[in-house]
Amino acid sequence: KAGVTQTPRYLIKTRGQQVTLSCSPISGHRSVSWYQQTPGQGLQFLFEYFSETQRNKGNFPGRFSGRQFSNSRSEMNVSTLELGDSALYLCASSLTGASSYNEQFFGPGTRLTVL
Amino acid sequence: AQSVTQPDIHITVSEGASLELRCNYSYGATPYLFWYVQSPGQGLQLLLKYFSGDTLVQGIKGFEAEFKRSQSSFNLRKPSVHWSDAAEYFCAVASGGGSYIPTFGRGTSLIVHP
Repeated sequence: KAGVTQTPRYLIKTRGQQVTLSCSPISGHRSVSWYQQTPGQGLQFLFEYFSETQRNKGNFPGRFSGRQFSNSRSEMNVSTLELGDSALYLCASSLTGASSYNEQFFGPGTRLTVL
Repeated sequence: AQSVTQPDIHITVSEGASLELRCNYSYGATPYLFWYVQSPGQGLQLLLKYFSGDTLVQGIKGFEAEFKRSQSSFNLRKPSVHWSDAAEYFCAVASGGGSYIPTFGRGTSLIVHP
């Protein structure tokens, strides 16, 4: 069974631009969560989608948004990029999501650099 | 709010030596506790988890962790470290009760000397 895939693996953008990251969960998984990982703040939860609905949201500004499609694939968008948005963005999928425990399986991440 | 502290930023051990990585959590009720490992360029992999029951939890790759409520700790141990264990280790806590979104510690980087 294929794991969680994230595209692209690396991105370089400039301040003010916007970016879209993609995540394909493990087949059959309906929940996708996004995390931001930085040296300064560590791993922080962004949001979780389940059956195309956002179910949980972390403490990030509205510039960070996401969506999930009917095939469970998810995209994350960051608008008006700031230098501080440079990070590794991790996607994780699970069977049923955060309301009941199922192990989260993480993708390799997208490394975003904002210049 | 729940929080996790990993006091050691870096730990260096020799191959074959034993390992203990410390984790302290803050949460009022019984927490759900996790240890993850992240190798360079990779995502996180779950090593083990504690929800309830036996306080000594066995995980993958020969790791174990012990939940000590009195000390609010969930330390990770391995009796004999292999060079391939060099990685970043994250402890995490979730509250359950409707949300299993984990709060992560800052991580401990494990360096293994031959």
